[in-house]
Amino acid sequence: DTGVSQDPRHKITKRGQNVTFRCDPISEHNRLYWYRQTLGQGPEFLTYFQNEAQLEKSRLLSDRFSAERPKGSFSTLEIQRTEQGDSAMYLCASSLEWVRTSSYEQYFGPGTRLTVT
Amino acid sequence: QKEVEQNSGPLSVPEGAIASLNCTYSDRVSQSFFWYRQYSGKSPELIMSIYSNGDKEDGRFTAQLNKASQYVSLLIRDSQPSDSATYLCAVRETSGSRLTFGEGTQLTVNP
Repeated sequence: DTGVSQDPRHKITKRGQNVTFRCDPISEHNRLYWYRQTLGQGPEFLTYFQNEAQLEKSRLLSDRFSAERPKGSFSTLEIQRTEQGDSAMYLCASSLEWVRTSSYEQYFGPGTRLTVT
Repeated sequence: QKEVEQNSGPLSVPEGAIASLNCTYSDRVSQSFFWYRQYSGKSPELIMSIYSNGDKEDGRFTAQLNKASQYVSLLIRDSQPSDSATYLCAVRETSGSRLTFGEGTQLTVNP
């Protein structure tokens, strides 16, 4: 399987605990994105990386959230001091984009469903 | 006003019919448009991308883009029960990289 992978697929945690999610993009893709989706809504952008550089962060990304992509390959998203409002599906996507690219397609992984009790 | 709006659902069509899904966007600088299909409990799956005005066909799917009207649509011909899902419209600006999604339209194809 050469698609985007995410781990874990499900996470149940108690309020106040820290959680970390991992995303492995499609191997040749240089851009990696994190989105969050709640029931009945479309995904909302959180942040994205080009290689190891974090280029954009949404205002949704509070200081409890941090994302890294240390070697330009896999990425982690950490949520500190989780709150019940953090319960959502966390989606990772990747794309291949260069200066002369003509395609901007993003491909999603299976997601990590977080439940904060 | 929401940045990306989709026709309210749910939409129900009989098997074999044409399903029409619509999307409008507010930002005139948007240049890239995508349709994703999302089955219940699963992640979004890219089914169509369109960048230029006009129609783009891929099998039973046709995407239509009208930048002057800020409108993009998806037609599904010969709808099948397996097409029953939520369809998400996503828009990307020229200068940015993020996708902005609509809330989705739930489609049910009845056998």
